[in-house]
Amino acid sequence: TQLLEQSPQFLSIQEGENLTVYCNSSSVFSSLQWYRQEPGEGPVLLVTVVTGGEVKKLKRLTFQFGDARKDSSLHITAAQPGDTGLYLCAGGRVDGGSQGNLIFGKGTKLSVKP
Amino acid sequence: NAGVTQTPKFRVLKTGQSMTLLCAQDMNHEYMYWYRQDPGMGLRLIHYSVGEGTTAKGEVPDGYNVSRLKKQNFLLGLESAAPSQTSVYFCASSYSAKTGAVNNEQFFGPGTRLTVL
Repeated sequence: TQLLEQSPQFLSIQEGENLTVYCNSSSVFSSLQWYRQEPGEGPVLLVTVVTGGEVKKLKRLTFQFGDARKDSSLHITAAQPGDTGLYLCAGGRVDGGSQGNLIFGKGTKLSVKP
Repeated sequence: NAGVTQTPKFRVLKTGQSMTLLCAQDMNHEYMYWYRQDPGMGLRLIHYSVGEGTTAKGEVPDGYNVSRLKKQNFLLGLESAAPSQTSVYFCASSYSAKTGAVNNEQFFGPGTRLTVL
């Protein structure tokens, strides 16, 4: 069974601080996605990484896929209140019967205070 | 394009009642999914479909049934609701998974908040 451990579960910081969220597994994934979910809404995709060691940047957000494709991190620089939300990582199965299924982490609830 | 829509947005049921949640997508996606989201549990896959007329069980299928009679619609049914089914239900859709470098981006609906008393 493929599992994704996400940490920390909760994070409360002041505006302007930096933070990193981690997503770890003992299994290899074909791809790793990060979603952001706001209260009362569904998750929205932020980024997909597919190559081991890949780094992608989205404004103040930096995403990295581990070399072995078992882990990923999300780093936010100079966090703003608008970054508040639930961040979810999700891994694509590598087995042939994946049929598009993703394994989701339990999420990191981020609160950025002004 | 509306993307993925879900109806209803909220529902309260009594134990033993039945209901159907409707999901519709206008992106011509092959794959559709039903998840439930509970505090501390993340998103758990209930059932999914890889095309019209086909469905398959996910991680937590017990107590739920699904149907995909039309490509754009995916229905989730609760035949006899139980308090343990109190949750927020999300529908998602995606293009067919590709072999090799798989990109399974899923597009989510806004959710249905269900309370079973």
